[in-house]
Amino acid sequence: AQTVTQSQPEMSVQEAETVTLSCTYDTSENNYYLFWYKQPPSRQMILVIRQEAYKQQNATENRFSVNFQKAAKSFSLKISDSQLGDTAMYFCAFMKHGAGNQFYFGTGTSLTVIP
Amino acid sequence: DAGVTQSPTHLIKTRGQQVTLRCSPKSGHDTVSWYQQALGQGPQFIFQYYEEEERQRGNFPDRFSGHQFPNYSSELNVNALLLGDSALYLCASRDRGAYEQYFGPGTRLTVT
Repeated sequence: AQTVTQSQPEMSVQEAETVTLSCTYDTSENNYYLFWYKQPPSRQMILVIRQEAYKQQNATENRFSVNFQKAAKSFSLKISDSQLGDTAMYFCAFMKHGAGNQFYFGTGTSLTVIP
Repeated sequence: DAGVTQSPTHLIKTRGQQVTLRCSPKSGHDTVSWYQQALGQGPQFIFQYYEEEERQRGNFPDRFSGHQFPNYSSELNVNALLLGDSALYLCASRDRGAYEQYFGPGTRLTVT
């Protein structure tokens, strides 16, 4: 079975600063995908960034980037130039390669951006 | 292009009752998954449907059942509701050949 661990229940960051959210996972699979989803108070889960395990290059989407360490099974999210709209729950998720596979989510990190 | 939609937004039921939640996938998507998100927790996979059949199932009892219609929309049914079924129920859709899932806004179910 796959497990995803987010060890930081809550974090805060000053507006315009940088913050890093941690995620580790446990799997025996070699091919898989990793995701970070954002869930604001509106409850809508929004995809922030994704990473294919076979790619060594870390994914980047504007102010969001990841540090993917496959051997260490670590997948952290870095948010640069934090904005008030980044305040939300952030979930790390894992999916095995192959059509139709389910997502495994961590317990989430509540991020607050302080003005 | 409409995203994933779910109805109703909120629902209050009494223990022992039955409930049906509905989901319409994003245009072009044929695969629908349902997740249960308890308060303060991450979403837990319930099951997945494509081609109108249940293809995968998580660790949920048979009280949880579903259906997918020819237009790819889906229903989640929960029988004999328990207090512990109170949660946010999320629907997610994707194209079967893709790996990205798109989530709906969820249905908040409260069992009293």
